[in-house]
Amino acid sequence: DSGVTQTPKHLITATGQRVTLRCSPRSGDLSVYWYQQSLDQGLQFLIQYYNGEERAKGNILERFSAQQFPDLHSELNLSSLELGDSALYFCASSVTGGHEKLFFGSGTQLSVL
Amino acid sequence: ILNVEQSPQSLHVQEGDSTNFTCSFPSSNFYALHWYRWETAKSPEALFVMTLNGDEKKKGRISATLNTKEGYSYLYIKGSQPEDSATYLCAFPENSGYALNFGKGTSLLVTP
Repeated sequence: DSGVTQTPKHLITATGQRVTLRCSPRSGDLSVYWYQQSLDQGLQFLIQYYNGEERAKGNILERFSAQQFPDLHSELNLSSLELGDSALYFCASSVTGGHEKLFFGSGTQLSVL
Repeated sequence: ILNVEQSPQSLHVQEGDSTNFTCSFPSSNFYALHWYRWETAKSPEALFVMTLNGDEKKKGRISATLNTKEGYSYLYIKGSQPEDSATYLCAFPENSGYALNFGKGTSLLVTP
């Protein structure tokens, strides 16, 4: 157990809908990362937060947004869902957001039908 | 997006064999190089973070070396065991930030 909690584990929804994925980092970690793993793709970086502020942005679609709250948990909002958004979404955390190990949650498997 | 290349894509060895994989990354503006192990139905788990040229890290039977001047890192597994079966990922921070770009991994299968 990495100490990073992601909910829900599975999510099935329809095209056009909006969903929210939640992540609680390890105790003491200030930085949260979101990654997307889809078929035939490696782990794709979406966005990183550090202590409530956005630190880095990757290939995150405009339909997607995220935030990190004062208690350091993070939410990834996916809207106007398309079939191609079906993927495994991972959250990871680290202490300072620097060049250190990331600790991954167990992921949320999103299926858009 | 900076390219991180891993080879081979997959590998099948017998229990007791030693093996190694390669991770290639841009040699300019080096910050760090990460290795992760990802077992089926689990989440990626960090093995090493390497930051200095010539760095060598070891964890049990797994070790890694780093050459930042030529842009590659090797991961070695000595005496492979079935429980070593997993996908091994390397990752490289993009630009001066900390967002990690992951390679597609080397999938290792160790059979008894």
